Amino acid sequence: AQSVTQPDIHITVSEGASLELRCNYSYGATPYLFWYVQSPGQGLQLLLKYFSGDTLVQGIKGFEAEFKRSQSSFNLRKPSVHWSDAAEYFCAVGAESSGYALNFGKGTSLLVTP
Amino acid sequence: ETGVTQTPRHLVMGMTNKKSLKCEQHLGHNAMYWYKQSAKKPLELMFVYNFKEQTENNSVPSRFSPECPNSSHLFLHLHTLQPEDSALYLCASSQDLLAGGNQETQYFGPGTRLLVL
Repeated sequence: AQSVTQPDIHITVSEGASLELRCNYSYGATPYLFWYVQSPGQGLQLLLKYFSGDTLVQGIKGFEAEFKRSQSSFNLRKPSVHWSDAAEYFCAVGAESSGYALNFGKGTSLLVTP
Repeated sequence: ETGVTQTPRHLVMGMTNKKSLKCEQHLGHNAMYWYKQSAKKPLELMFVYNFKEQTENNSVPSRFSPECPNSSHLFLHLHTLQPEDSALYLCASSQDLLAGGNQETQYFGPGTRLLVL
């Protein structure tokens, strides 16, 4: 069965520290991969996406993610976290074989401390 | 306005009320979606419309009734809801369905926070 796993429900990092949020997927076909961010009371904003090509993808707000087919992972990274990055982060996966159905992970809540 | 807008942003309703959620996209997209986001659960896809035609009803109860009069507008009509229907309802749009690649990237509105008493 197709699935998306974000193993970390909550993560706390200090401002200025590096960040890595994990996302693992289980799909039979080559996936499309997305990271979205949701601030409190807001909708989801697209951070970055991977469809093909270079496996290291650059997104907005200084985020990047790397697609590793061998590990079925698409982890999100940022070298230096800002207090405004505190939010909920969602990994989403789709595949041409499943059409338009996106599977979302349960999300990782990021807390940034001074 | 740009992007995807949703009104109202907050809604409180009784179980016998009838209300409607509205979504409008200003991106020239052809596909629109309704999602339900409940606490501690992944986003649940409810309905998908492509060129005003419904292409997906993800086993949603009939007390939720979608309407898509044109490619820019999407409604969710609510009737005799239950307290467990309280959630954030998100609308999204994408350029196309099943076109592959970039055209399927979904852009989300801010959501309507619904509380059913």
